[in-house]
Amino acid sequence: GAVVSQHPSRVICKSGTSVKIECRSLDFQATTMFWYRQFPKQSLMLMATSNEGSKATYEQGVEKDKFLINHASLTLSTLTVTSAHPEDSSFYICSAKGFLNTEAFFGQGTRLTVV
Amino acid sequence: TQLLEQSPQFLSIQEGENLTVYCNSSSVFSSLQWYRQEPGEGPVLLVTVVTGGEVKKLKRLTFQFGDARKDSSLHITAAQPGDTGLYLCAGGSTLGRLYFGRGTQLTVWP
Repeated sequence: GAVVSQHPSRVICKSGTSVKIECRSLDFQATTMFWYRQFPKQSLMLMATSNEGSKATYEQGVEKDKFLINHASLTLSTLTVTSAHPEDSSFYICSAKGFLNTEAFFGQGTRLTVV
Repeated sequence: TQLLEQSPQFLSIQEGENLTVYCNSSSVFSSLQWYRQEPGEGPVLLVTVVTGGEVKKLKRLTFQFGDARKDSSLHITAAQPGDTGLYLCAGGSTLGRLYFGRGTQLTVWP
């Protein structure tokens, strides 16, 4: 399957700071990328969908000014958690889909801990 | 609102037993995918089914897509401890968005 790399895998930050998470498609062009959040022992909740060169579409209840998504190229999307608070601590996962692909492939996830 | 209802939520069985996980929805999906996720890692795609009534086999795993493309099942034969993990079904829309079920946490004891 296609390879999607997410970085960093773990990050600890202080409350009030911002954290950037990168998601790269290594061997295909990702026309669409998805960002998910997962709480312990729960399923994945879609936060937003981004198409290359366009503004991201956020799911209901997700603050777009807090979770900034950029998808400036066909191989890279970033999620920036701004002014992070402890309640933002979670497992964030990206997935990427090419134009002709039915499936989306997932990154390894990023464990964010805000202290 | 959960578009996909997955059951059971937890399943704990002995090695060698068979099991079935169900994924049901009132919505029609263009495709349905099954993933397996280990703790601290991203989900790994197991299979994609796109045709109503389709059956796919992956070694001891059998996946079925309902005729109306609203439901799916995953059957594991002779489960092994290595099958332990979180199994997720996801329905795909024509726009490529995936809607996940709550997942089934499977534990297989030796």
